[in-house]
Amino acid sequence: QQQVKQSPQSLIVQKGGISIINCAYENTAFDYFPWYQQFPGKGPALLIAIRPDVSEKKEGRFTISFNKSAKQFSLHIMDSQPGDSATYFCAASIGNFGNEKLTFGTGTRLTIIP
Amino acid sequence: NAGVTQTPKFQVLKTGQSMTLQCAQDMNHNSMYWYRQDPGMGLRLIYYSASEGTTDKGEVPNGYNVSRLNKREFSLRLESAAPSQTSVYFCASSELGSSGYTFGSGTRLTVV
Repeated sequence: QQQVKQSPQSLIVQKGGISIINCAYENTAFDYFPWYQQFPGKGPALLIAIRPDVSEKKEGRFTISFNKSAKQFSLHIMDSQPGDSATYFCAASIGNFGNEKLTFGTGTRLTIIP
Repeated sequence: NAGVTQTPKFQVLKTGQSMTLQCAQDMNHNSMYWYRQDPGMGLRLIYYSASEGTTDKGEVPNGYNVSRLNKREFSLRLESAAPSQTSVYFCASSELGSSGYTFGSGTRLTVV
């Protein structure tokens, strides 16, 4: 049972373009939604996170858009660069108190081509 | 460097063999986790430990056991390895106020 559904599985974007990755969740108790970035041979690392009391959060070229009524959230990477090529995971948890269990999406392999 | 250290980085086991994956963190985090990563399935929680002395099952605990040896160390044991346990295993830790999970660099396990 996949509680967090992520799409697409893979994505190819030209340098300078916008990369968009989408996630949908089922459990309405989820209230913390982070995105993790993973480079080959490395563990995932937190990229950006949002709570459902806001509809958008921006950090540099990375933006999370959140739609509570649709139970969907997405990651937008503006001006995509070859260094952004990585696997991206959305995730969700109940709470963010330092001991929450994260439920991850299936991942999106992003490739930025010159 | 502060972080999560996993050993070994690579391991090949024969079906039925046992092994322990080691994980240690030096950030004084209370919570630790073991995930497995498989193509097309993302990261799935095997076991977690909210604090020293406690462990709980995650989404896919069958075939695994864990030990929270102390606050720093959280090990994952495969008693009788099966080919279905071929995966990349990640240990992570977290703490209130920390910036999300800190993951180790993973153990790539192949069971033949």
